[in-house]
Amino acid sequence: AQSVTQLDSQVPVFEEAPVELRCNYSSSVSVYLFWYVQYPNQGLQLLLKYLSGSTLVKGINGFEAEFNKSQTSFHLRKPSVHISDTAEYFCAVSERSNDYKLSFGAGTTVTVRA
Amino acid sequence: GAVVSQHPSWVICKSGTSVKIECRSLDFQATTMFWYRQFPKQSLMLMATSNEGSKATYEQGVEKDKFLINHASLTLSTLTVTSAHPEDSSFYICSARSVQGPPTGEQYFGPGTRLTVT
Repeated sequence: AQSVTQLDSQVPVFEEAPVELRCNYSSSVSVYLFWYVQYPNQGLQLLLKYLSGSTLVKGINGFEAEFNKSQTSFHLRKPSVHISDTAEYFCAVSERSNDYKLSFGAGTTVTVRA
Repeated sequence: GAVVSQHPSWVICKSGTSVKIECRSLDFQATTMFWYRQFPKQSLMLMATSNEGSKATYEQGVEKDKFLINHASLTLSTLTVTSAHPEDSSFYICSARSVQGPPTGEQYFGPGTRLTVT
């Protein structure tokens, strides 16, 4: 069974600075990878996904992530954050053996300060 | 596209009463919908998988008689919390998987329902 580890529970960052949120997964088979963002008291919004092809994936709001199969990682990055990027970020994995259900990481709280 | 709605967005009920939460896929058909529960500052916990026209599959530890799930059509699933108690207070989120395209696991999430049991 796959598991997802988000290595940072909280990431404080200054406005216009870069940010990286780390995500590692454990699976020996092909997986699909997702990053979701959750604003307070809201549902989850898809930021980006890796299904196949190029390992560098670009998403909404200037976010991108890189799939690294050898390191089983899918780290999320943004070169310059805004106050509005303050939110909870979840990495998720799905695979065929689990009927493509999503397994979520514990989440990373990003707080952007002026 | 791929919009999922939930109703109500928040509800307060008295202990012992039942509450129904609706989850609708507005612009696509979903054979599979999921129900999650989220505690403050925590990740999502999958409660059950709802398949259109069949019984829901509950995750280990989730009481199926307490959390009744019905998926009567390709666009609607409901979660009924029966005989609610204060410990059932939580944020409930549904999601839907589109019938179109190969399976990838991508889910579209509703905005969530905040349940408070007094």
